[in-house]
Amino acid sequence: AQKITQTQPGMFVQEKEAVTLDCTYDTSDQSYGLFWYKQPSSGEMIFLIYQGSYDEQNATEGRYSLNFQKARKSANLVISASQLGDSAMYFCAMREGTGANSKLTFGKGITLSVRP
Amino acid sequence: EPEVTQTPSHQVTQMGQEVILRCVPISNHLYFYWYRQILGQKVEFLVSFYNNEISEKSEIFDDQFSVERPDGSNFTLKIRSTKLEDSAMYFCASRRWGTGYISGANVLTFGAGSRLTVL
Repeated sequence: AQKITQTQPGMFVQEKEAVTLDCTYDTSDQSYGLFWYKQPSSGEMIFLIYQGSYDEQNATEGRYSLNFQKARKSANLVISASQLGDSAMYFCAMREGTGANSKLTFGKGITLSVRP
Repeated sequence: EPEVTQTPSHQVTQMGQEVILRCVPISNHLYFYWYRQILGQKVEFLVSFYNNEISEKSEIFDDQFSVERPDGSNFTLKIRSTKLEDSAMYFCASRRWGTGYISGANVLTFGAGSRLTVL
């Protein structure tokens, strides 16, 4: 079974509008972390935001916020006031376990295109 | 801001040749990883490394692959005899120590990647 599911096809958003990128996850662990990374066309992986499973507040980092719904096992990324530079591939990832035996498992990614 | 450095940025090699991809993780990080991304596909875990040994590896990481941290700063991925299907972007990542879910300790910082093309 997929641990991280990102099913949206390519997403389009008008500049300055908000957009939500969906992510659902599957784990039986009580302790886990959820991450979003951005991959522009240049290829690097840029960390955006993190949510721990025990965090009661939704994470926010500037224009990025994470809509964490634990019971539904979803961790959607909200980008407010989209900019042209936000056009990229976005990956949701989950970290299970702690210490040396933990690793990130990535979803397939979502392509976001911001229209001027 | 500290970063993970990878070299080369792009390497083209003939099938069957050995390739070494190099990484310099962030200096106070203790956990090191290699991931790969075949063009247009998702990022896949290869191996994690801690305390000078492999802590976990995926089924992709077969006998043709090896990792090493020879001098306390570099972290290398070697592919002994490359195959066409090894063509991918290879990402090194590192993470500092930490238990539980203290935010900064959990974030993997990725390098810019090394694109490997096997002909």
